[in-house]
Amino acid sequence: AQTVTQSQPEMSVQEAETVTLSCTYDTSESNYYLFWYKQPPSRQMILVIRQEAYKQQNATENRFSVNFQKAAKSFSLKISDSQLGDTAMYFCASQDGGSNYKLTFGKGTLLTVNP
Amino acid sequence: DSGVTQTPKHLITATGQRVTLRCSPRSGDLSVYWYQQSLDQGLQFLIQYYNGEERAKGNILERFSAQQFPDLHSELNLSSLELGDSALYFCASSVTMGHSYGYTFGSGTRLTVV
Repeated sequence: AQTVTQSQPEMSVQEAETVTLSCTYDTSESNYYLFWYKQPPSRQMILVIRQEAYKQQNATENRFSVNFQKAAKSFSLKISDSQLGDTAMYFCASQDGGSNYKLTFGKGTLLTVNP
Repeated sequence: DSGVTQTPKHLITATGQRVTLRCSPRSGDLSVYWYQQSLDQGLQFLIQYYNGEERAKGNILERFSAQQFPDLHSELNLSSLELGDSALYFCASSVTMGHSYGYTFGSGTRLTVV
């Protein structure tokens, strides 16, 4: 079974600064995928970034990037030039690449961007 | 708009009642997933359907059931409701049975059991 742990229940950052959200995971699968989802106050779940475990290169999407440390089973999210609209709950998730494609989520980190 | 439609957005009902939550997947998506989000349990996988067939089951209670219809919309039925069933219920869809690009989520149905 996969488990995902987010050790920071809440974080805050000043607008335009950089913040890093932590995530560790555990899986026995060799083929898996990792994701960060954002849930703003509208409660919509929005995919922020994804990482394929077999790729060593860290994924990047505009201001969002990850630091994927496979051996350490760590998958942190870095948000650069934070904007007020980044205020949201952020969930780290893992997905088994086998026959069961369910997502396993962490408990989430509430990020507040302050003006 | 994500393309995944969930109705109703809000639902308030009494204990012991039965409700049905509806989900229309994004056009072209064959797979539907149901998740429950509560404060104490976080996001929990309930069940997955692919092209009308059940493919995976998670922590779904026996009082809950789901199905996916020929037009690919899905319904989640919750019966004998308890206070603890109050939660946000998400539907998500993907093109294939599993998709490494993640899912597209609907905006959820907020269920309140009183």
